[in-house]
Amino acid sequence: ETGVTQSPTHLIKTRGQQVTLRCSSQSGHNTVSWYQQALGQGPQFIFQYYREEENGRGNFPPRFSGLQFPNYSSELNVNALELDDSALYLCASSSDPGDTQYFGPGTRLTVL
Amino acid sequence: QQQVKQSPQSLIVQKGGISIINCAYENTAFDYFPWYQQFPGKGPALLIAIRPDVSEKKEGRFTISFNKSAKQFSLHIMDSQPGDSATYFCAASRNYGQNFVFGPGTRLSVLP
Repeated sequence: ETGVTQSPTHLIKTRGQQVTLRCSSQSGHNTVSWYQQALGQGPQFIFQYYREEENGRGNFPPRFSGLQFPNYSSELNVNALELDDSALYLCASSSDPGDTQYFGPGTRLTVL
Repeated sequence: QQQVKQSPQSLIVQKGGISIINCAYENTAFDYFPWYQQFPGKGPALLIAIRPDVSEKKEGRFTISFNKSAKQFSLHIMDSQPGDSATYFCAASRNYGQNFVFGPGTRLSVLP
């Protein structure tokens, strides 16, 4: 059974650019949640996808968008990057919404 | 109402001692309370979790105590080891809820 994987590991972008982060869910999991973790803080919920549909969204602007594919892998897209978007972006998968979430190692995004 | 408060912010314990981290919540709809352990550069890893129908859950050296009336729960790490040095996050969610709400974290250092 493979765990949650994320790519890339690190990414450097400049302000105003767009970025796509990818996540492969754990085998057997149909739900993917995305979190933003700023340095020294707890993860903040961005949104969740369940069976390819958005299943809830946190307090993030529309320039944060996502997608889930039929194999339950997922993408997080961020447009018009701002300096404050610099953070560790975490993907977590679960067997159902609200069930135990298993996190990937994260993608460290730096916006210059 | 969505916040989870966590204390202390940092904790230093001698090897073999007991580490205690406390969390409090307001939303009585929360019914799942996991604890996550995070090492630098890694994603959070599930340590132990509890539902409010029990007051205590123990797994090895880790114990969660839950006080439903006070809306508080705590993590106790017995016989703390240097390898336990990490950041610990409490979290809360509603059954089949999309949004795991995380506390701000406690940085634990166990001295050899």
